[in-house]
Amino acid sequence: EVQLVESGGGLVQPGGSLRLSCAASGFTFSSYEMNWVRQAPGKGLEWVSYISSSGSTIYYADSVKGRFTISRDNAKNSLYLQMNSLRAEDTAVYYCARGGDLYSSSHAFDIWGQGTMVTVSS
Amino acid sequence: SYVLTQPPSVSVAPGQTARITCGGNNIGSKSVHWYQQKPGQAPVLVVYDDSDRPSGIPERFSGSNSGNTATLTISRVEAGDEADYYCQVWDSSVVFGGGTKLTVL
Repeated sequence: EVQLVESGGGLVQPGGSLRLSCAASGFTFSSYEMNWVRQAPGKGLEWVSYISSSGSTIYYADSVKGRFTISRDNAKNSLYLQMNSLRAEDTAVYYCARGGDLYSSSHAFDIWGQGTMVTVSS
Repeated sequence: SYVLTQPPSVSVAPGQTARITCGGNNIGSKSVHWYQQKPGQAPVLVVYDDSDRPSGIPERFSGSNSGNTATLTISRVEAGDEADYYCQVWDSSVVFGGGTKLTVL
């Protein structure tokens, strides 16, 4: 079964750090682009970051640029999001989502994890 | 930055057709994807590349894209279609619309 499972969320104080993980299974992880998307309570979806299949190309939303770092370990079938200098407005459910593969022109997010909650509060 | 505009809400009676729009500057030149999200659940891709359906998505879900408007059409609406719907494109980065709450009357 194709699956993404996030972990690492929790309660953190403003200014603190957290590292999210996303474990992939059921597909060739190294062939796919990956993304992080977040959703604040009661709000819509907000894209956070993108990483290419090899990890050589990375993009960030302006709201997290300079504070968050996306990475992946294809040998471990895992995606990560290192979040530093956290703010109250970073409070959200964070989803990892699979994008296109090496042979596809589509960048649609076809597989999503169940999400992990990050709460930034003192 | 690129902006996608969706109506906050759409209401439709069971068995009727729901149309959810997504407006953007020359959106017809981009590939539009649509996601369905039910309360407490992760989003699910229902239409990709304007009008293609992933496996397992009913034929009742269809999409179109031209000019400045993309449209998700849900035919023969069922109670189980009640959800939030989001459009999404790539424009130097990923952009989501604000979402539309579909209410089945």
